[in-house]
Amino acid sequence: GQNIDQPTEMTATEGAIVQINCTYQTSGFNGLFWYQQHAGEAPTFLSYNVLDGLEEKGRFSSFLSRSKGYSYLLLKELQMKDSASYLCAVKISGNTPLVFGKGTRLSVIA
Amino acid sequence: DSGVTQTPKHLITATGQRVTLRCSPRSGDLSVYWYQQSLDQGLQFLIQYYNGEERAKGNILERFSAQQFPDLHSELNLSSLELGDSALYFCASSVAESYNEQFFGPGTRLTVL
Repeated sequence: GQNIDQPTEMTATEGAIVQINCTYQTSGFNGLFWYQQHAGEAPTFLSYNVLDGLEEKGRFSSFLSRSKGYSYLLLKELQMKDSASYLCAVKISGNTPLVFGKGTRLSVIA
Repeated sequence: DSGVTQTPKHLITATGQRVTLRCSPRSGDLSVYWYQQSLDQGLQFLIQYYNGEERAKGNILERFSAQQFPDLHSELNLSSLELGDSALYFCASSVAESYNEQFFGPGTRLTVL
């Protein structure tokens, strides 16, 4: 089967930096996505990595190592509004659905 | 606002009943995906349609069915409802058949009593 692991919960302080890890063991790999989901709301797209390395987009960066089956999402200058769940999802092949991890619930505290 | 609309926003019904959830994709998007999200589970893929045809099937129960109409809106039908079917049901859309950036609708919260 397909396996995607993320920590269940994390807590970080406003203004700090937090790294959310995602490891995957899947039958194929054609890209990795990060989504943000506030409680009771729709997931919104944050990033997409298909090649190894770091992709930076404002306060958010995402890193991928395909050989290690590993990705992380880095959030800088944390704000209270960043309190949300962060979902890691793997695209196994060009024509298969995304497989989502269970998400990491991030709480930002003052 | 992603441009994907879903109705109704909330639905409360009883066990054994049947409900229909509706989704309209973003203008120009041909693919529609349905997901179920329960409290303890991540997003579980149910089914995908592309331009009216079924393209992929995930963990969708036989009691559930879906279709995509010529105007590209989609409906998810849930029948013989059980307590465990209570969940958030999301629809997402994308331009292409393959799975690049998907845009999610606001979801329908189904409560089965």
